[in-house]
Amino acid sequence: AQSVTQPDIHITVSEGASLELRCNYSYGATPYLFWYVQSPGQGLQLLLKYFSGDTLVQGIKGFEAEFKRSQSSFNLRKPSVHWSDAAEYFCAVGAENDYKLSFGAGTTVTVRA
Amino acid sequence: DAMVIQNPRYQVTQFGKPVTLSCSQTLNHNVMYWYQQKSSQAPKLLFHYYDKDFNNEADTPDNFQSRRPNTSFCFLDIRSPGLGDAAMYLCATSTGLAGGSYEQYFGPGTRLTVT
Repeated sequence: AQSVTQPDIHITVSEGASLELRCNYSYGATPYLFWYVQSPGQGLQLLLKYFSGDTLVQGIKGFEAEFKRSQSSFNLRKPSVHWSDAAEYFCAVGAENDYKLSFGAGTTVTVRA
Repeated sequence: DAMVIQNPRYQVTQFGKPVTLSCSQTLNHNVMYWYQQKSSQAPKLLFHYYDKDFNNEADTPDNFQSRRPNTSFCFLDIRSPGLGDAAMYLCATSTGLAGGSYEQYFGPGTRLTVT
């Protein structure tokens, strides 16, 4: 079964600074990878996804992620963080012939002025 | 806009008093999911419907039931809520089930408080 690790529980970043959130997955074949964002008291919103093709994926709100098969990683990046990016971010992995998404434990991002 | 709607957004119930949470979708998706999310944790899948076919996760307590009367609506029934059932309940939909390639669209969630 597939699994996801998000090594950072909490990250604090200054507004305007760059942000990188780490995600490592475990799965033997090609994974389907997702990043979701959850603002306080809200549901999950899809930021971006990777199924195949170009390993650098562009998403909404200025986010991008890079799939690195050799490192089993799918890290999320944003060049310049806005205060509205303060939220919880979840990495998730899906797999062929498995309807379930495996979510990481999440990374909470705090943005300071 | 097509979307996933959950009602109510906040629900308070008493210990042991049955409660029903509602989810509706205008996306016309075949699959509907219910997740439980406790504070600072990842969402945990409770069950899903593919059309009318129901699939219960092995570790979902019997206290939790679900109904899907039609494509658009899905309900989560908690027969006898305990204090440990206080959580955010998320409904999600997707077009397909086979494989993980179908993205899931989430509703805003219902925050359940048990007193």
